[in-house]
Parts: sequence; structure tokens; C-alpha cells
Amino acid sequence: DAGITQSPRYKITETGRQVTLMCHQTWSHSYMFWYRQDLGHGLRLIYYSAAADITDKGEVPDGYVVSRSKTENFPLTLESATRSQTSVYFCASSESLRGPRETQYFGPGTRLLVL
Amino acid sequence: AQKVTQAQTEISVVEKEDVTLDCVYETRDTTYYLFWYKQPPSGELVFLIRRNSFDEQNEISGRYSWNFQKSTSSFNFTITASQVVDSAVYFCALSEAGDYKLSFGAGTTVTVRA
Repeated sequence: DAGITQSPRYKITETGRQVTLMCHQTWSHSYMFWYRQDLGHGLRLIYYSAAADITDKGEVPDGYVVSRSKTENFPLTLESATRSQTSVYFCASSESLRGPRETQYFGPGTRLLVL
Repeated sequence: AQKVTQAQTEISVVEKEDVTLDCVYETRDTTYYLFWYKQPPSGELVFLIRRNSFDEQNEISGRYSWNFQKSTSSFNFTITASQVVDSAVYFCALSEAGDYKLSFGAGTTVTVRA
């Protein structure tokens, strides 16, 4: 059982390029989340999704786009990468029994460097 | 406003010592959930425990124990007889009713020396 996976694990890109980070979960969890982790800021929510085709903004959504055409996938796209988007990105998922306050399980993270 | 405060930035102990990590939270909701996660040097986030606001029973899992006190808005975590493998960053997090995100504390880095 793979659980929740992220790809790529490491990415270097240049300012202005489009980058897509992939997240895939095998648990059929309804809720999925994207966080970024930065020194001094901890983990902050970028976007979340309650189900396929339902997404909503989190705390820091500017510069990011998400989609959820299938329950198991939740890609995060940086439309035009900026240096301030250099960070570690975590995807998470949770069951829907009691809504989003069920335990969130995290993927291994993607380290993104924008030059 | 910071909803979860982990005042200890770093703690260093020698193996077999006990270590207690403090977590103080702030919420106006009567229903909320508290979590602890571990982030080892490899970088992944590992779920340790989830506790709802109506359950103030302390919990023990092996060498780990948690003390939840609503009166002081605290959810402290103790590692008994620490081991080198316990070296990690530990995060406390809060989920409030009607909110879809986890509010994380800044984390406490625990270093266990052999």
C-alpha cells in the first residue's frame, strides 16, 4: 500500500517557469491538502479539496493553481515560479467521516528551488 | 495571532533522559482537535496522536505520553527514556471547528545525544 506519494521529490527551476507538483493517494480519502513549509513560518495551507472537482483556497494561495479531476490526484501548479516560492511542499489527505478534522496524513514532501 | 505556541525552539538531551515538549493553544471553539507530528531528519511528517477537546484523558503509547489540560490550554508531549532515533522536529497542531486547515506551531527540535 503506497499511501500518499509526491513527485518529483526534488525540483530546480527558474523564475517565470511553470512547475507542477504531483500528489497521489491510494486510500480513497476525500480531503486533500497542499502545505508549504518555510523557516520562520512553519507549515501553511495553500489549497485544499473536499472531493473531486471541489477545491478552495487556504492561507497562502497566490501564485498557485490546483485541480482535482480524480479523487486520488491533487496536482499543484506554480503558474510562473518566483524565488519566494522556494520551499518544501507537502501534500496531505484525510478521510471524510467527520470532515476535514480527521487526521491528515502527509506525503514525503517536494523540495523546490526557484533560481 | 499565533494559535499554537511551542515556546521551546530546541532541546538537547542525553540518551535515556526524559524530555517534555510544551504546546499551548488558543481557540474560542468548544470543539477542536489537537495533533502531534514528528519530522525526522529525512523530512517526512509522521502523525503521532490526535485528541479531541472532549477527551482529557492522558495517553501513553510506548515511550510517548501526552498530557492534555483544557484548564491551561496545553497539550504537552513527553518522551521517556529518549533514544537517538527520537531526534526530530516535533510539531503540535490545532484544528478548529469550521476551519479546514491545521494550524501548526513553530516546532521544537529535539536532539538526543548518545
